[in-house]
Amino acid sequence: ETGVTQTPRHLVMGMTNKKSLKCEQHLGHNAMYWYKQSAKKPLELMFVYSLEERVENNSVPSRFSPECPNSSHLFLHLHTLQPEDSALYLCASSQRSGTSGRNEQFFGPGTRLTVL
Amino acid sequence: GENVEQHPSTLSVQEGDSAVIKCTYSDSASNYFPWYKQELGKGPQLIIDIRSNVGEKKDQRIAVTLNKTAKHFSLHITETQPEDSAVYFCAAKRNTDKLIFGTGTRLQVFP
Repeated sequence: ETGVTQTPRHLVMGMTNKKSLKCEQHLGHNAMYWYKQSAKKPLELMFVYSLEERVENNSVPSRFSPECPNSSHLFLHLHTLQPEDSALYLCASSQRSGTSGRNEQFFGPGTRLTVL
Repeated sequence: GENVEQHPSTLSVQEGDSAVIKCTYSDSASNYFPWYKQELGKGPQLIIDIRSNVGEKKDQRIAVTLNKTAKHFSLHITETQPEDSAVYFCAAKRNTDKLIFGTGTRLQVFP
């Protein structure tokens, strides 16, 4: 166990559905991340939250909407997704320690998303 | 833009042999280089990392080397065991929170 949990572990949804992914970290970290992992591609950073403020949004389509209500929880709200959005969505957390910090990121197990 | 190239994409070795995975980064300002191991059904887990002021770091059977001039770094696993079978990712970071990942190497260790 890495101290980062994600629910659900698997999700199948239609293109018109609305669903949410949840991430919780039990490590006392102050930064949280959403990544997309597709086959044969590098992990793609989607969003970064630091101290509950979004500090990075990597040109992610608006059908993905993140929410960080507090430093321990992170959500990814999904709406009208496309089949190409099918992937493993990983959450991570770290303790931000300035610009030269080691920034070790701890990952959750991911949510396997299939869009039909 | 920033990118990290990783080779090979797949690697098969006999148990007890060594395995080497290589990465090349583009951003000369990168100063932190972690390696992650991802087992089936799990998220990536940090196994070793190195900062730019060090040329080599070792932790039991795994070691990482860094050549800043050539902008490449490598993961070395000695005396491989079947439980080393996984996907390994390298990454590079400069003075931001953003890790740039390689495409991964699937390592298979055959008994």
